[in-house]
Order: sequence, then structure tokens, then C-alpha cells
Amino acid sequence: DAGITQSPRHKVTETGTPVTLRCHQTENHRYMYWYRQDPGHGLRLIHYSYGVKDTDKGEVSDGYSVSRSKTEDFLLTLESATSSQTSVYFCAISVGNLANGEQFFGPGTRLTVL
Amino acid sequence: KQEVTQIPAALSVPEGENLVLNCSFTDSAIYNLQWFRQDPGKGLTSLLLIQSSQREQTSGRLNASLDKSSGRSTLYIAASQPGDSATYLCAVTIQGAQKLVFGQGTRLTINP
Repeated sequence: DAGITQSPRHKVTETGTPVTLRCHQTENHRYMYWYRQDPGHGLRLIHYSYGVKDTDKGEVSDGYSVSRSKTEDFLLTLESATSSQTSVYFCAISVGNLANGEQFFGPGTRLTVL
Repeated sequence: KQEVTQIPAALSVPEGENLVLNCSFTDSAIYNLQWFRQDPGKGLTSLLLIQSSQREQTSGRLNASLDKSSGRSTLYIAASQPGDSATYLCAVTIQGAQKLVFGQGTRLTINP
């Protein structure tokens, strides 16, 4: 599992509240990713990081921000949660300090926005 | 824009059969292609990674092939078992971009 954990695993929140999801890895991988998975859309990239304090947007980044102050932690923040952000969120790493290395995924966070 | 397609969306076969899952992509400019397995309510498990310069990779009963010029990959599962039941996803890493593009997956059911 490449030592990836996500917290919380489940969360229910209300529209308009901020939410932060955490991804933690134990193996010092340089590249980390946040995806969301939705029926009919599959997995889509939200943001990724290529090092401490180095992040960039994916294809569905609106309404999300990220931070990476330590190699091991990559945080995803929903600044003001909306019902359209109800989804399952997955964190991933790329091994070998390569952008195009094999990716391994965390167990996911199921988020419900009421 | 790279698009990845997996057909069929669902497949049901009896135990013991050999089977092939298909993946196609529209742009041949890829770094690699990765096959994943996802069980209901779980994360993705990496099965095989094929670099763009490779033609195939094998792991146990699984064999993945890649024909980059035609934009196709197949995942061959030999002697299928009920435990192989899951959704199988393929994804490509685009050259010049730092991301995977996923197909929608094939939901596989192996009947005892």
C-alpha cells in the first residue's frame, strides 16, 4: 500500500463549511496527488504536488486548495463545501520520485455534503 | 485531449475461463499505461505498469499488453477465480503532463 493513509475515512458536513482532508505517506515520495471518483466520471485529478510547497492544478481544481508543508503530508481543503463536492477522494503517490512512475493509492475518504 | 475507453462496461464469466479486458486511448504520446483493480468501497490496487517502450508485462495469472501505435492495451486473466471479481481500471500517463487519465472501468464478475 506504499504506506499511504487518509483521514478522515468518512465525513458528513454541511454546505458552506470548510473541510480539510489529510493524506500521509511514510516513504518520502516526491509526487503526491488528489483525485475524486464519481459515478459516470471516473477518477479525475484535482491537484498534485511535486515537492514541499510545490503544487499545481489538475482538471477539476475549482473550489479546492492544497498545501504541502512537509514531504509526508498533502492536505486538500474545500474552502466552502458544496453538494457537488460529495464524492470519494483518493490520495496517490508516484514511486521513484518520477512524475510518470507507478502510482499507488490510499484507501479513500468518503465525503458527503448536505 | 486524451480519452481512455474500456469496453465492455461489465462482464460476467464462469469460473475457470480465461478472459481479456480491453482498454483504448486516443493519443499515442504516453509515458506508460497502468492497470488497477478496485473492490467495492475500497481504494485502487496497482496490478501492472507497462512503459511505453514495452510490449507486455506479466504478474502471476495476469498479462498486460500494449500496442501504443494503435492505442490499445489488453489485460489477460488466466483461469479466472471468484476472487478476481472487481472493477478493473486502466490509466495512461500523458507525455508532458503530470497526471493519469483513467478509463471508466470494466466491472468483472466471476461466477462459481
